[in-house]
Amino acid sequence: ETGVTQTPRHLVMGMTNKKSLKCEQHLGHNAMYWYKQSAKKPLELMFVYSLEERVENNSVPSRFSPECPNSSHLFLHLHTLQPEDSALYLCASSPEPQGKAEAFFGQGTRLTVV
Amino acid sequence: QKEVEQNSGPLSVPEGAIASLNCTYSDRGSQSFFWYRQYSGKSPELIMSIYSNGDKEDGRFTAQLNKASQYVSLLIRDSQPSDSATYLCAVDRRALTFGSGTRLQVQP
Repeated sequence: ETGVTQTPRHLVMGMTNKKSLKCEQHLGHNAMYWYKQSAKKPLELMFVYSLEERVENNSVPSRFSPECPNSSHLFLHLHTLQPEDSALYLCASSPEPQGKAEAFFGQGTRLTVV
Repeated sequence: QKEVEQNSGPLSVPEGAIASLNCTYSDRGSQSFFWYRQYSGKSPELIMSIYSNGDKEDGRFTAQLNKASQYVSLLIRDSQPSDSATYLCAVDRRALTFGSGTRLQVQP
């Protein structure tokens, strides 16, 4: 079993739909992250959670809503998305949110908004 | 100025050659530096981390860090076609900040 698992791997949703992305880590890490990767752009940090507390929100639109019920699980709730939100959404975890924090990524969810 | 800058490439090298990938960063307070490899359609995979000035070697990979010049590089010796991927430089601040990546093509 991989250290960081994301589901679903692919998602197609309409602009009026509500869906959620799920991430689970089995590494005993205390920090979890959501990143967005669009074509030809750097990985963009969206949210950081440390011990289930949100410590960073990088000016992400409110149509993206994170949830971290415990240190092993992270969700990204999606509603009324726009076509430009189509991207690869990556979850990562690390032992701590800063310092010598090697982050490990899940396989990603390829999201297409139609 | 971008926080982490990389040449987008593609960088093309023949099989068996040394590939040299470069990265500069803007935050002088950065302490931790990472190289990730990302194959097309896949997620980033950590291949090297470096925290002190100088060189760090791991198999065919060598990471080099110069904090005074705010420069970090990755050398891949004996490049193989399977090394063809995008290489992402990352710098740790509150969380990892990534460059846009350099696409490496190793020609058989």
